[in-house]
Amino acid sequence: DTEVTQTPKHLVMGMTNKKSLKCEQHMGHRAMYWYKQKAKKPPELMFVYSYEKLSINESVPSRFSPECPNSSLLNLHLHALQPEDSALYLCASSPRDSREAFFGQGTRLTVV
Amino acid sequence: GEDVEQSLFLSVREGDSSVINCTYTDSSSTYLYWYKQEPGAGLQLLTYIFSNMDMKQDQRLTVLLNKKDKHLSLRIADTQTGDSAIYFCAESPTGANNLFFGTGTRLTVIP
Repeated sequence: DTEVTQTPKHLVMGMTNKKSLKCEQHMGHRAMYWYKQKAKKPPELMFVYSYEKLSINESVPSRFSPECPNSSLLNLHLHALQPEDSALYLCASSPRDSREAFFGQGTRLTVV
Repeated sequence: GEDVEQSLFLSVREGDSSVINCTYTDSSSTYLYWYKQEPGAGLQLLTYIFSNMDMKQDQRLTVLLNKKDKHLSLRIADTQTGDSAIYFCAESPTGANNLFFGTGTRLTVIP
């Protein structure tokens, strides 16, 4: 199993809503990542979890809150987002560091 | 972040070879990667090369690394319409728990 599974595939939310994005992998990878990708741009790192501990937070606003409940799961909790937060949110995992990172299919988020 | 540069567009005819180029800045990068992204989809890891290698071949894909010039290329032999996508190179500097992506090259394969 070399899959990283993200749910939902699409999400539309209002600026006052609270929602969560989910990511799951069963490859035994100990590093998991959240990336944000705007249209026609490369992915940009948001957060890194290494061995279930947050190791990197790339100055992401607090309206994005990551959580790593166990070594297979990664969540991204969303609250009071802005329209400019609309983007493709990608989850990735890797055995260690950032080598051979495998990406999920992403969640297309639209904030209205 | 790091500066990883790619040309934005490339068009080739079906059956021809495609060469996608990338320049990077961090000479300490241990691994360099090529990812493929189809419209509306996530990133698919195509191949990667360790920085002490000059070349890596994997079926239709050939990666060339010129470490002196910090230049990476991806050659796709016998390009097919299914190869149409955006291709990102990425570097992983030593000690950095991150991937720095290039700007992406949109490959269009003309039937």
